[in-house]
Amino acid sequence: NAGVTQTPKFQVLKTGQSMTLQCAQDMNHEYMSWYRQDPGMGLRLIHYSVGAGITDQGEVPNGYNVSRSTTEDFPLRLLSAAPSQTSVYFCASRKRLGGTDTQYFGPGTRLTVL
Amino acid sequence: AQSVTQLGSHVSVSEGALVLLRCNYSSSVPPYLFWYVQYPNQGLQLLLKYTSAATLVKGINGFEAEFKKSETSFHLTKPSAHMSDAAEYFCAVSPLTGGSYIPTFGRGTSLIVHP
Repeated sequence: NAGVTQTPKFQVLKTGQSMTLQCAQDMNHEYMSWYRQDPGMGLRLIHYSVGAGITDQGEVPNGYNVSRSTTEDFPLRLLSAAPSQTSVYFCASRKRLGGTDTQYFGPGTRLTVL
Repeated sequence: AQSVTQLGSHVSVSEGALVLLRCNYSSSVPPYLFWYVQYPNQGLQLLLKYTSAATLVKGINGFEAEFKKSETSFHLTKPSAHMSDAAEYFCAVSPLTGGSYIPTFGRGTSLIVHP
């Protein structure tokens, strides 16, 4: 298994540009989520999905869109990039939402918005 | 609502010394608890988890944690620090039942190991 993969690893955007961060998992996990990691703030949940066709907002959803058309993929879209979205983004998956299942993380995408 | 508090954003120890990283949780019912480690420029990976089977949990790389319900704590320890333990450590909580099942992460503690 490749686990959770993310592309790209690094990205530089200009303010106002849009882009999509890709996330895929090959473990047939129901639950997928996106976090952003900022210094001193830990991990903050952006959006999550409990299965194909089902998404919901996390703690910091503004400026981001998600969709889940397949079990494997969970892309994160930045609609109009802002400097405040400069961060490291992690995608994660776990077999189910609740319980003792381990969450598996991708390697991250480091995004800079100028 | 559930939450976790990690005391100390940075912990500094000498190589060979005891490592103690603190985590306290707040939850209406005793939850499942996790410790994750993040090495530089990598994603998070699971160190260990408490699933109510035993209060003392052993994980990878010599780490262990003890669940103390009376203190609502799940502190992470390692008897002897190694240089390779330098990383960011995150405590996380996931409820057993009721309410939101979304895991909640602490803000992280950076472990610094001096030679």
